[in-house]
Amino acid sequence: QIVLTQPPSVSAAPGQMVTISCSGSSSNVGTHSVSWFQQFPGKAPKLVIYDNSKRPSGIPDRFSGSKSGTSATLGITGLQTGDEADYYCGTWDTRLNIGLFGGGTKVTVL
Amino acid sequence: QVQLVESGGGVVQPGGSLRLSCAASGFTFSNYGMHWVRQAPGKGLEWLTFIRYDGSNKYYADSVKVRFTISRDNSKKMVYLQMNSLRTEDTAVYFCAKDLRSYGSGNFEYWGQGTLVSVSS
Repeated sequence: QIVLTQPPSVSAAPGQMVTISCSGSSSNVGTHSVSWFQQFPGKAPKLVIYDNSKRPSGIPDRFSGSKSGTSATLGITGLQTGDEADYYCGTWDTRLNIGLFGGGTKVTVL
Repeated sequence: QVQLVESGGGVVQPGGSLRLSCAASGFTFSNYGMHWVRQAPGKGLEWLTFIRYDGSNKYYADSVKVRFTISRDNSKKMVYLQMNSLRTEDTAVYFCAKDLRSYGSGNFEYWGQGTLVSVSS
């Protein structure tokens, strides 16, 4: 099963910044938009970034996204305890015509 | 507001079948592609299948190809997942998700709350 590569976990103190990477290939991250999702235990994922760097209505500007080549990055600044969750990246693979997700990253606020 | 409500989950024996439904509201359903995604207990998200806005194209993950079938009824604003030959490893919460676009863009814009499928003897 093809997945996008994310670090299993990241952590930082309140008010600090974390970044989460999402690595793919030329046929997925390199070609298609990347989206990012926040998921709390027992809940559905929620979109926080789409089209690599755009924020849906209601998502604070503490969340940002970027993409370069075959890698994308989610940044969370001014970290809050309420940001503790699992974060996933997602995209489409144009060669295989399948959707893809990263393995997920657990964000811990120290 | 956009709502996606899944139903049809439950307990089924290995080799059995289930049909999941996803009722959509709050947007022009016939303009958007739809996905099914699952999450096994304690695991990450796994993309399963996608159907274009008009049902003209369907794509599947290798893990469910042949066994699962996605369909949609734009008149009823519904998307379905027919699951056959179920295995214990299909045990998961199943989510339907709306794509940002009519085709598979990789932007999973809205998600339902999920329905639990448990495959066990």
